[in-house]
Amino acid sequence: RKEVEQDPGPFNVPEGATVAFNCTYSNSASQSFFWYRQDCRKEPKLLMSVYSSGNEDGRFTAQLNRASQYISLLIRDSKLSDSATYLCVVNSGGYQKVTFGIGTKLQVIP
Amino acid sequence: GAVVSQHPSRVICKSGTSVKIECRSLDFQATTMFWYRQFPKQSLMLMATSNEGSKATYEQGVEKDKFLINHASLTLSTLTVTSAHPEDSSFYICSAGLPGGQETQYFGPGTRLLVL
Repeated sequence: RKEVEQDPGPFNVPEGATVAFNCTYSNSASQSFFWYRQDCRKEPKLLMSVYSSGNEDGRFTAQLNRASQYISLLIRDSKLSDSATYLCVVNSGGYQKVTFGIGTKLQVIP
Repeated sequence: GAVVSQHPSRVICKSGTSVKIECRSLDFQATTMFWYRQFPKQSLMLMATSNEGSKATYEQGVEKDKFLINHASLTLSTLTVTSAHPEDSSFYICSAGLPGGQETQYFGPGTRLLVL
């Protein structure tokens, strides 16, 4: 089983739609979780950290379910500029060491 | 946020040559930097952890003699791909975390290596 698993997609959604991605992780000792965004042929950029109580940043909401070992990202009112690959990132146990999922590709359609 | 630069952004070389990639933290000191590799349609795979003033820690399956890492100062780590072959063609990205153990990673813009 992979350490971090994501559905690679692509998810094709119309502008204005709400879309949700899930990610599962295998290491129950993981403590830190993040969502990164990666545009085509670019480096990943931090979208948001994921906290136990869940957190929201504008149109983006992240949730953590430790019991089931998954995290989620919800995007409301999708914009064309949200088209990208969303990477689930989980602390691997080492100092500042993280593991990336394969990413879920989102395409927002006009 | 913190800024990490990488140079060169793109390199094309002949098989058998060595290529050096530089990673710099521009506005903070990084005792630890990370080197990743990403093949098309795959996730970022950690190659090694670069430690300032000491040897790098390599992930399983990564040849330390082929991928030489030097972290000579708190703002610079270099990755040298020695005797590069076409299968080494990939997107190489470095990252660094802020001092104090914060786990948010800041990434360099990456280096596209094409070995002919």
